[in-house]
Amino acid sequence: EPEVTQTPSHQVTQMGQEVILRCVPISNHLYFYWYRQILGQKVEFLVSFYNNEISEKSEIFDDQFSVERPDGSNFTLKIRSTKLEDSAMYFCASIRDTSSYEQYFGPGTRLTVT
Amino acid sequence: AQKVTQAQTEISVVEKEDVTLDCVYETRDTTYYLFWYKQPPSGELVFLIRRNSFDEQNEISGRYSWNFQKSTSSFNFTITASQVVDSAVYFCASNSGNTPLVFGKGTRLSVIA
Repeated sequence: EPEVTQTPSHQVTQMGQEVILRCVPISNHLYFYWYRQILGQKVEFLVSFYNNEISEKSEIFDDQFSVERPDGSNFTLKIRSTKLEDSAMYFCASIRDTSSYEQYFGPGTRLTVT
Repeated sequence: AQKVTQAQTEISVVEKEDVTLDCVYETRDTTYYLFWYKQPPSGELVFLIRRNSFDEQNEISGRYSWNFQKSTSSFNFTITASQVVDSAVYFCASNSGNTPLVFGKGTRLSVIA
């Protein structure tokens, strides 16, 4: 069964450094999402992406964040200058089209900012 | 905007007991979708079920069952004869189709042998 993959599974970085989290959505999916889960808290929406542009973003998704689909398969989340409070699990998700509402989640990347 | 409330923060049961996890949702949309996800200690989000707002039929899948009641805006999840492997955090979520999912805060279920 096709699945969403994410790399790396765990990333440790120092405050102020840039990080790029990578996701490979299911190949025929058209809508892509990033969510964040701070340890012990609920899963929160960051951004959605469709047709090579951001379709919606939350208040969390400020100027430090950006997303890109550089090559038609990868979907990346970049944090320009990480802060301690960016430490969280980051989940990528995708759906095929507007008739298919189940969001397929990747296994997540645990980001630790020290 | 949607809102999902899971009032139970933590539940602890003894193996083989039945347990119900509560979920109350708020939405102004006439078409919406409700979900349950399981998050085991390994951290991934495991999809369990999706219901749409037009289908109030209850659903059973093995030891899992779901009770959707629009009159009370609830979508509760029952595990029958719980097992230690059911120990996890369970999230209820909602959206209006391809819109972002709105999650509840989750209920941590501990099943004790």
